[in-house]
Formats: sequence, structure tokens, C-alpha cells
Amino acid sequence: GDSVTQTEGPVTVSESESLIINCTYSATSIAYPNLFWYVRYPGEGLQLLLKVITAGQKGSSRGFEATYNKETTSFHLQKASVQESDSAVYYCALGSSNTNKVVFGTGTRLQVLP
Amino acid sequence: AQTIHQWPVAEIKAVGSPLSLGCTIKGKSSPNLYWYWQATGGTLQQLFYSITVGQVESVVQLNLSASRPKDDQFILSTEKLLLSHSGFYLCAWSQRAISNERLFFGHGTKLSVL
Repeated sequence: GDSVTQTEGPVTVSESESLIINCTYSATSIAYPNLFWYVRYPGEGLQLLLKVITAGQKGSSRGFEATYNKETTSFHLQKASVQESDSAVYYCALGSSNTNKVVFGTGTRLQVLP
Repeated sequence: AQTIHQWPVAEIKAVGSPLSLGCTIKGKSSPNLYWYWQATGGTLQQLFYSITVGQVESVVQLNLSASRPKDDQFILSTEKLLLSHSGFYLCAWSQRAISNERLFFGHGTKLSVL
């Protein structure tokens, strides 16, 4: 079936360090998958961070970037220099362009140390 | 602005007891509505979705049911809870089909079944 695998957390990095959270997907029943990163900050609801619906394109938001790589079926989340306020749980997700369904990964808890 | 409210925030229930979780969306007419569930350490799984009042589609069978009695209300329920129902329940809405649309989530309900 369709699935998403992402870096197991928790991930701990120091402020100003670079970050990568890996995400790979399997879209066996989806012809044209759309890819998302969602984030849940402490005390807040889950919210969209960025999305990319075309293979080969890059999405960016709040200093984070992710490139939709169809060849490696990956959508890794990267940031060059993290801040303490980036501490949150990050979810990679896969949406089908022909069904009303989004498949999420297990989430990666990120802790940024001051 | 649209708001989404989930209730209760947390529940502790006994195995075999009934359950009712609710979700209300204000400021958006005819939204698509969704229930998601995440077991501890598990993935965020889509349980149900509804495109219109009175119509609910099941995505994963977990001995739960959902109903949409009003345009802005989505209810998740069961007559007999199982231990495996423990976890975190999230209600969400989208403007259109979620394949490439962002989801807007509530803050969730933490359910502990003992």
C-alpha cells in the first residue's frame, strides 16, 4: 500500500546547526502523488509547513526546504540554520491526486538546543 | 477567519464504555471534514471523511463510526471501546479534496482506554 517513512526521532541539534529530516514514500496506488510537510509546535495544532505537487520542484517555508525527488521517492526536509523556535514535531505526508486521502508518516520530534 | 474546535481535550474511559468525540468548524461553509487517529508511536491514520452533510466515508475499519449531523459538525463514536482505541484523535477540514489541498487541524483529543 501507500506509505511514508521518515527519520525516527527525537532529533536533537544545537541552534544554528543544519538539519535534515529524511522522508521516503511508496506510492503503489497513486499515479501522481503530492507531498507535504506538516508541523506541530508545542501547544498548537498540526499545520501545513510546505507542499509540492510536481516532481522535481522544491517547496520552501520559514527557512525550510524540501525537493520532490521522484527517482529516489524522497522528500527530505532541510534547513541550513535551525532556531530554538523550530522545536516541534514534523510529519511528512503523501496525498493522492485521485483519492480523498492523505497518508502521514509517524512524525519526527525535533529539539533545538540554545 | 475559520476556527476548528474539538472536544473534549482528553478522555479516560473504561474498556466497553461508549465514546463520543466532537468537532465544530466555524467560518467555513460546506467544508470537507476528516477524522485522523494516531496510536502512541504510530502513524497518523485517516479514519473517515465527509464531503457533505449526512454522508461519511470510512477509510480504516477500527470499530468506530462517524456522523455529520450538521454542515459544521463531525462526530466520532463507538458503543464499546477497546484498549486499541487509545491514542490521539484529530479532526481536520479542507476546502476541497485533500489530495493537493492543505488540511486544517484541530488541537486533538487524547483518549486513554483502561
